[in-house]
Amino acid sequence: SQQGEEDPQALSIQEGENATMNCSYKTSINNLQWYRQNSGRGLVHLILIRSNEREKHSGRLRVTLDTSKKSSSLLITASRAADTASYFCATHGAGSYQLTFGKGTKLSVIP
Amino acid sequence: ETGVTQTPRHLVMGMTNKKSLKCEQHLGHNAMYWYKQSAKKPLELMFVYSLEERVENNSVPSRFSPECPNSSHLFLHLHTLQPEDSALYLCASSPGVASPEAFFGQGTRLTVV
Repeated sequence: SQQGEEDPQALSIQEGENATMNCSYKTSINNLQWYRQNSGRGLVHLILIRSNEREKHSGRLRVTLDTSKKSSSLLITASRAADTASYFCATHGAGSYQLTFGKGTKLSVIP
Repeated sequence: ETGVTQTPRHLVMGMTNKKSLKCEQHLGHNAMYWYKQSAKKPLELMFVYSLEERVENNSVPSRFSPECPNSSHLFLHLHTLQPEDSALYLCASSPGVASPEAFFGQGTRLTVV
């Protein structure tokens, strides 16, 4: 069953602005991850946040996790044209080794 | 480069053909995965291998046949596919099946005509 679901499906912003993407999921998780995919290519792991963490930073990325609401957000600050890609959240369920992905948010950063 | 290499990058095949997708990882990982990515659908996990043993088969039709001869190589044998099987097929690896982070290859874009 589908676990993560990203929102919005598509987002278009100007270079330099911040981009925020959200993810909701349905069942208990061990961790939640965000991946990036450039058009037609493989996924690249960006950041992982564990179920007992609330916020994590990596460079221009900030991830939050609210397990009570079963939701996460990915913030990309000071966006660049090179950030244009699709972003996926993936959950690693409690007692499971499967990664379950959402449909993704397509981000376009306009120079 | 993620350390996971897939070949070919693009493949066009007829419905009566037999072809194979190849994946190789140079990361020393013990777990390997096949995912299918279709337009407007979430990534679908197809198969999971741990130390060359298949540990997961997510109700994938038998026209897809995986093979894992060793922990560094993974194949997906294809035969009598349907046009709806056209998709991006992604291979991934992780240190173990319990490891959270997956490393993906660039994918094979498959078109069935």
